[in-house]
Amino acid sequence: GDSVTQMEGPVTLSEEAFLTINCTYTATGYPSLFWYVQYPGEGLQLLLKATKADDKGSNKGFEATYRKETTSFHLEKGSVQVSDSAVYFCALSPTGNQFYFGTGTSLTVIP
Amino acid sequence: EAQVTQNPRYLITVTGKKLTVTCSQNMNHEYMSWYRQDPGLGLRQIYYSMNVEVTDKGDVPEGYKVSRKEKRNFPLILESPSPNQTSLYFCASSQLGSPVYGYTFGSGTRLTVV
Repeated sequence: GDSVTQMEGPVTLSEEAFLTINCTYTATGYPSLFWYVQYPGEGLQLLLKATKADDKGSNKGFEATYRKETTSFHLEKGSVQVSDSAVYFCALSPTGNQFYFGTGTSLTVIP
Repeated sequence: EAQVTQNPRYLITVTGKKLTVTCSQNMNHEYMSWYRQDPGLGLRQIYYSMNVEVTDKGDVPEGYKVSRKEKRNFPLILESPSPNQTSLYFCASSQLGSPVYGYTFGSGTRLTVV
């Protein structure tokens, strides 16, 4: 069945370090791919998305490219800030009705 | 402000005592959904609704009920809660009848069943 696998955390980085959170997926057809972020005590917020192969989603300095050949959608940021500390979820939607989330990766950025 | 409002934020109850978690959105979204979040398992979809009076099961519907009598409201009902339903619950909504356009999530309801 359709699923998402993302790297386990927690991840701890120093401020201004480079961030990569890996995400790979399994799906039939051509799903849409998403990254959501969850700040402490809050619900999830859409961070970025890509709806077809080779699309690049970007927002707030974060980027992810939809790679169909490697079934991946890795999240990257060139220089993280303390305010980026949160839990990040990779997700896919194969049909627009069902939505599958990864297990989440906790990121802590230290000054 | 566009938002999804869930109530209550925290709830402790006893096994077998029926409860309802309310969810309301003010964005005129057609699509609404309930998820539970558990450590190591991520978010799993319980039920979703494409529009008024249209609901369908997600991946983990057992032990839950929903209704969609009005477009803005999508309550989650636990008729006979059990300890394995202790979890963090999120309601979410989306425009245009599909979550491909991005969900708006509520702030969550932390439920403990003893």
